[in-house]
Amino acid sequence: DTAVSQTPKYLVTQMGNDKSIKCEQNLGHDTMYWYKQDSKKFLKIMFSYNNKELIINETVPNRFSPKSPDKAHLNLHINSLELGDSAVYFCASSQEGSTGELFFGEGSRLTVL
Amino acid sequence: GNSVTQMEGPVTLSEEAFLTINCTYTATGYPSLFWYVQYPGEGLQLLLKATKADDKGSNKGFEATYRKETTSFHLEKGSVQVSDSAVYFCALRILEYGNKLVFGAGTILRVKS
Repeated sequence: DTAVSQTPKYLVTQMGNDKSIKCEQNLGHDTMYWYKQDSKKFLKIMFSYNNKELIINETVPNRFSPKSPDKAHLNLHINSLELGDSAVYFCASSQEGSTGELFFGEGSRLTVL
Repeated sequence: GNSVTQMEGPVTLSEEAFLTINCTYTATGYPSLFWYVQYPGEGLQLLLKATKADDKGSNKGFEATYRKETTSFHLEKGSVQVSDSAVYFCALRILEYGNKLVFGAGTILRVKS
């Protein structure tokens, strides 16, 4: 069983489109995250949810909207896609009060043409 | 602010060579420190961690010591293998901000046989 799973793994789309990436974790964790990894491998946190409540919202364009229907799911919706949105998006989860280890999904590679 | 600086890569070594990847940090308070590894096409996974000064984290032959006086957490391995080829990320955890991990830029390691 995959602990943190993301879909789709690959997404190719045109500028201006709207797309979503889904994430689910079966670890029973109460905190989930979205990270963006650019072409130089640099990782930057975008959002964090704890028990469906947004707790971290970094400086991200408001075209990006996370949604957490329950604590096991955190989806990322992106409106009006731009070329600069091309990246690998990683979902992760952790347990509050733990030693801080994050468990990552395998990533979703988004390519905007 | 809180930040992590890693040595730039790529680092290219022959099998059985000694590895050091430097990592220094700036943090308010006393962070926990981590090394994550990302193998090709995969998400990040925790390699080792240290939660307080002078702690040594170790795993799979890798080790790193939390040095408060030099604000460093350098990763070392005595004898690398081709299978160690990956991207290595140093990170710090900010306890007071939702278990947020701040990552360094990542260091690509290539091991030749």
